Amino acid sequence: DTAVSQTPKYLVTQMGNDKSIKCEQNLGHDTMYWYKQDSKKFLKIMFSYNNKELIINETVPNRFSPKSPDKAHLNLHINSLELGDSAVYFCASSPTGGGAETQYFGPGTRLLVL
Amino acid sequence: QKEVEQDPGPLSVPEGAIVSLNCTYSNSAFQYFMWYRQYSRKGPELLMYTYSSGNKEDGRFTAQVDKSSKYISLFIRDSQPSDSATYLCAMSAGNTGKLIFGQGTTLQVKP
Repeated sequence: DTAVSQTPKYLVTQMGNDKSIKCEQNLGHDTMYWYKQDSKKFLKIMFSYNNKELIINETVPNRFSPKSPDKAHLNLHINSLELGDSAVYFCASSPTGGGAETQYFGPGTRLLVL
Repeated sequence: QKEVEQDPGPLSVPEGAIVSLNCTYSNSAFQYFMWYRQYSRKGPELLMYTYSSGNKEDGRFTAQVDKSSKYISLFIRDSQPSDSATYLCAMSAGNTGKLIFGQGTTLQVKP
């Protein structure tokens, strides 16, 4: 009965490869997010989607492309991976995307680029 | 300068101590203030939420917001070893769900 799930949990890959991270929520929420947490625990928003529509698109290299096939899923594809992409990537969801809402986070995907 | 500043610590206290965690911010448009708790190798989870200025209490936890000073605090009374985690302040200005997080303060409560 996991609320927000992500796969894979761990991802180790070589520089230059392309990889995808998947996220699913079973909370019935309309809005989903991708965050990046660096080695200093700094958590920064990357994207948000509301019912498959892109709402927040922060200053992120265009090697990162989110895709939302439906409102319960938000995937993150990363092209040409670089060393600096090593981080923990968190997916989150909230009911409608309002500023006052609780965001529910997944367990994270630990990406290590060698 | 970051929009939200938070001392990363680490902060180590004995069990039963009162803990004070703080964040300062620069954007006067922020009106929603939250504290998330993140256990090691887990995702953050919401601990406290406050709208605009004022205090909010929930059990051993009290959140305070002082918008005039652009300063928010989280107090933990009678701290327990199970409170050992990273505490992240987060703020939002409007209705897009865009949360700006502080760096997080790592707290260790020693038995």
